[in-house]
Amino acid sequence: EVQLVESGGGLVQPGGSRRLSCGVSGFTFSDHYMDWVRQAPGKGLEWVGRIRNKPNRYTTEYAASVKGRFTISRDDPRNSLYLQMNSLKTEDTAVYYCARVTYSSGWTLDFWGRGILVTVSS
Amino acid sequence: DIQMTQSPSSLSASVGDSVTITCRASQGISNYLAWFRQKPGKDPESLIYATSNLQSGVPSKFSGSGSGTDFTLTISSLQPEDFATYYCQQYNNYPITFGQGTRLEIK
Repeated sequence: EVQLVESGGGLVQPGGSRRLSCGVSGFTFSDHYMDWVRQAPGKGLEWVGRIRNKPNRYTTEYAASVKGRFTISRDDPRNSLYLQMNSLKTEDTAVYYCARVTYSSGWTLDFWGRGILVTVSS
Repeated sequence: DIQMTQSPSSLSASVGDSVTITCRASQGISNYLAWFRQKPGKDPESLIYATSNLQSGVPSKFSGSGSGTDFTLTISSLQPEDFATYYCQQYNNYPITFGQGTRLEIK
């Protein structure tokens, strides 16, 4: 069974940092790209960024709203995905989801974690 | 960035009805269009990829069509678990973008 479990959320002060983790099981993690997607309270889904797999040199893509502040990384032997968030703003308050990306007529999200809440507030 | 616009933003229907949701891209995205369902208080679920292909385990009551800039999601024989918010997403270009969502409510 495919499982993705986020951790590391909580309350952070504006300007602070936080690292989210996503542990996965039930599939060969190293074969897949991985995404982070977030959802502010009462709002829609916003794509945060992507990390490709080793054959694609672990390259990354980011939304403009987080570029330069957030960094996505992965540890394939540990089956783990990370989101390092720096210089946090109140508008970064959201539930953060990690999602598996599979190649099926393009790289598309197919499984999601349950999400973890990050609250940026003083 | 490619803007994705869903219509309607909300709609009401009854159990057993069929509904269609539309998603329009601000520029052509070939067939790189996905649909997701999010039940209240739950994580999103992937329904359709590449415009019309069902994800594993998704029932055939869901169907998608379109190409270029205009796409639709049709849900037939609505059941209580289908009353949720639906999002389209383009993955033809970075940044990947979602529509604003369509809330499907019970009439």
